[in-house]
Amino acid sequence: AQSVTQLGSHVSVSEGALVLLRCNYSSSVPPYLFWYVQYPNQGLQLLLKYTSAATLVKGINGFEAEFKKSETSFHLTKPSAHMSDADEYLCAVSSYSSASKIIFGSGTRLSIRP
Amino acid sequence: GAGVSQTPSNKVTEKGKYVELRCDPISGHTALYWYRQSLGQGPEFLIYFQGTGAADDSGLPNDRFFAVRPEGSVSTLKIQRTERGDSAVYLCASSLGLTSGLTDTQYFGPGTRLTVL
Repeated sequence: AQSVTQLGSHVSVSEGALVLLRCNYSSSVPPYLFWYVQYPNQGLQLLLKYTSAATLVKGINGFEAEFKKSETSFHLTKPSAHMSDADEYLCAVSSYSSASKIIFGSGTRLSIRP
Repeated sequence: GAGVSQTPSNKVTEKGKYVELRCDPISGHTALYWYRQSLGQGPEFLIYFQGTGAADDSGLPNDRFFAVRPEGSVSTLKIQRTERGDSAVYLCASSLGLTSGLTDTQYFGPGTRLTVL
């Protein structure tokens, strides 16, 4: 079975500060890992994904995430927050044996303080 | 090009009624997925189609839920005898399909918000 835990349902940072959204996964097989952003009334957009290639994955809008097997983590970071980054972020996991079935975390809402 | 579209965007119904939710995938995408997102939660997998057939329906919560994709394009999620607990946002996604490899990116639609009174 696979699962994802997102630590912190709400994170607030100042504009220009580092963004760190935490995600830990559980998987009995090598995982595929994803970060999505959910825009209001617009569905989900893929930010980045890890599929067993490079452990540091770069995505859109300046975000990146590092796969750490020893820590079972896939935290999302961005060096400098912009006001436009305020949204809901979802971490997710799937695997080679069930690549079509994505298991999502409960989400983290990111707020940016001016 | 056009993305995944879902209709209606909002649906309000009464307990016990039947509802249909429609999904139009991206043209050329052979795989289609339905998810359900309850308030404050992440999306929960319901069913996956490859072409016309349901390849994995393990996420359907009970036999009141059914989905079809008769021509391998548009899909309809059908809910019978709706209950208040069915209230959620129903998301549809599509992808190129198995032939594109294992890192098949799913593209999501805006969702249908279902409210059962």
